[in-house]
Amino acid sequence: KQEVTQIPAALSVPEGENLVLNCSFTDSAIYNLQWFRQDPGKGLTSLLLIQSSQREQTSGRLNASLDKSSGRSTLYIAASQPGDSATYLCAVKGNNRLAFGKGNQVVVIP
Amino acid sequence: DGGITQSPKYLFRKEGQNVTLSCEQNLNHDAMYWYRQDPGQGLRLIYYSQIVNDFQKGDIAEGYSVSREKKESFPLTVTSAQKNPTAFYLCASSLRQGALSDTQYFGPGTRLTVL
Repeated sequence: KQEVTQIPAALSVPEGENLVLNCSFTDSAIYNLQWFRQDPGKGLTSLLLIQSSQREQTSGRLNASLDKSSGRSTLYIAASQPGDSATYLCAVKGNNRLAFGKGNQVVVIP
Repeated sequence: DGGITQSPKYLFRKEGQNVTLSCEQNLNHDAMYWYRQDPGQGLRLIYYSQIVNDFQKGDIAEGYSVSREKKESFPLTVTSAQKNPTAFYLCASSLRQGALSDTQYFGPGTRLTVL
């Protein structure tokens, strides 16, 4: 069974610093990996999707890398802003379903 | 506006009652999903459907039932057999369930509380 771990569970950074969020997974036989954002009491918003054959994806200030062989993905958020405060979830697709981590809860301090 | 709607936003249930959560999408997606989210835990898959009139159990299907009579709709019933139903329920959809680059889109969620 796929296990997805996100470390750290929670972190606070001053505005303007770069954010680095880590995701690890136990089974490297994946189709893709997605990063989502979730605001309190809301649904999930897809940020980036990396296919298994890709190494990274970029969208604006966000960059996500994937190292399938080591079972790791990293989400970088450049020049963090207070509006980036949210929980970030990593999800790995394999065997017709997504396996989710518990999330990184981020607070950006103005 | 294309998207996924869930209703109601908040739902209260007495013990022993069945309740039905609504999920509707106008994205013309084939696949739909139901997840449960508990504090401090990741999302867990309850049921999913790849096509109309077909659905499959996820990891925690016991005490839940679904139907998929229309492409746009995938209602979830929480039955009295579900022993701990208080949670945040999320519905999602994707264009095709087996596609490699298949992004899942989520609704705003329904918070169910058992009184």
